[in-house]
Amino acid sequence: GAGVSQTPSNKVTEKGKYVELRCDPISGHTALYWYRQSLGQGPEFLIYFQGTGAADDSGLPNDRFFAVRPEGSVSTLKIQRTERGDSAVYLCASSLSGTRGSYNEQFFGPGTRLTVL
Amino acid sequence: RKEVEQDPGPFNVPEGATVAFNCTYSNSASQSFFWYRQDCRKEPKLLMSVYSSGNEDGRFTAQLNRASQYISLLIRDSKLSDSATYLCVVNIGNTGRRALTFGSGTRLQVQP
Repeated sequence: GAGVSQTPSNKVTEKGKYVELRCDPISGHTALYWYRQSLGQGPEFLIYFQGTGAADDSGLPNDRFFAVRPEGSVSTLKIQRTERGDSAVYLCASSLSGTRGSYNEQFFGPGTRLTVL
Repeated sequence: RKEVEQDPGPFNVPEGATVAFNCTYSNSASQSFFWYRQDCRKEPKLLMSVYSSGNEDGRFTAQLNRASQYISLLIRDSKLSDSATYLCVVNIGNTGRRALTFGSGTRLQVQP
């Protein structure tokens, strides 16, 4: 079956511009995560959705970052007034939802490589 | 101090060698532990979960020491195809926080 897909695969923008990154999770996965990976580092958590609601947004670095998942499937990560330091690979992952305390494998998409000039 | 610490490497080993990676984590509330593999410019993929009793999957063996907050991965009989970055990952599951916390990764290069 289809995995997690992300568009665009690459995005080049200028400092100060607004960008939107899209994630299509695996069908039936109610949990969706956004991570950011800088060169030479592991992915860092940004935000987690359970259904339509953001269950944990503690990883968002500041109020320029916002994410939505209006119908509980596709999610969009929005970055306002981009800065050069926002350049990274933005990874989306999805998983089945389990009971509290249980873990379900997170499947990652190929990522969007964002470059802010 | 990072929540998950790994030796960044690179580890350069010949084919057939045995190589071991270590990782320490700082949050004693961590409940689930994993090794992920990431190929160059690709997404991370789950290699194996790590259990206190230790677990093996073919040439790969993972160990967890909760008292020392230490995780290890052993790869026996290395293949060229094992060349990748190996990410140590923990999850604080019982608080409801489902996010994964990744180490920076250890790069392995297996040489012919």
